[in-house]
Amino acid sequence: DARVTQTPRHKVTEMGQEVTMRCQPILGHNTVFWYRQTMMQGLELLAYFRNRAPLDDSGMPKDRFSAEMPDATLATLKIQPSEPRDSAVYFCASGRLSGSVYNEQFFGPGTRLTVL
Amino acid sequence: GENVEQHPSTLSVQEGDSAVIKCTYSDSASNYFPWYKQELGKRPQLIIDIRSNVGEKKDQRIAVTLNKTAKHFSLHITETQPEDSAVYFCAASTGANSKLTFGKGITLSVRP
Repeated sequence: DARVTQTPRHKVTEMGQEVTMRCQPILGHNTVFWYRQTMMQGLELLAYFRNRAPLDDSGMPKDRFSAEMPDATLATLKIQPSEPRDSAVYFCASGRLSGSVYNEQFFGPGTRLTVL
Repeated sequence: GENVEQHPSTLSVQEGDSAVIKCTYSDSASNYFPWYKQELGKRPQLIIDIRSNVGEKKDQRIAVTLNKTAKHFSLHITETQPEDSAVYFCAASTGANSKLTFGKGITLSVRP
């Protein structure tokens, strides 16, 4: 049963520190998404990639957040410097684009980030 | 851009009763509408989806209906069980090259 994996599952850090979150999409999936979930804002899309190319990162604070896909098996989300308001659960999801049909997104278990 | 709203924000039903959760969307070009279920501390998981060329879709105890004219779609759960208690998210997309826009989620509680 293929699943999206994310590391770390939990991260507690101090304000100003760099945070790196990693995601391994399901093998064969060509689209990767990064979401942030908070009680107040719900699920917000931060960025997404297709065939490793960034398609949309308009939801991401550009001054401190960056997302990359160094290869097809790894996506990273970095926050530098981190702030308390970044505390949230960060989900990675992957999907497979088939022609023009939108298909299911499979979510990873999430990284719970706490910035003190 | 697309705006998806869910009503109500919380819903409590008696076990065995039906539950209906409604979502509205703003972009008439949206053509894909999935529903995700998220249990406490877990990841969101797709439970059912519908495309704009279909008005209704069923899968055992759950069904989704779509009204394109009114720009709303609803999740119907029949014979609710305690394990249906979770947060349910609806979403909409205008196509494969577009992002999913999620609603804020509805917390469904099923009372035993």
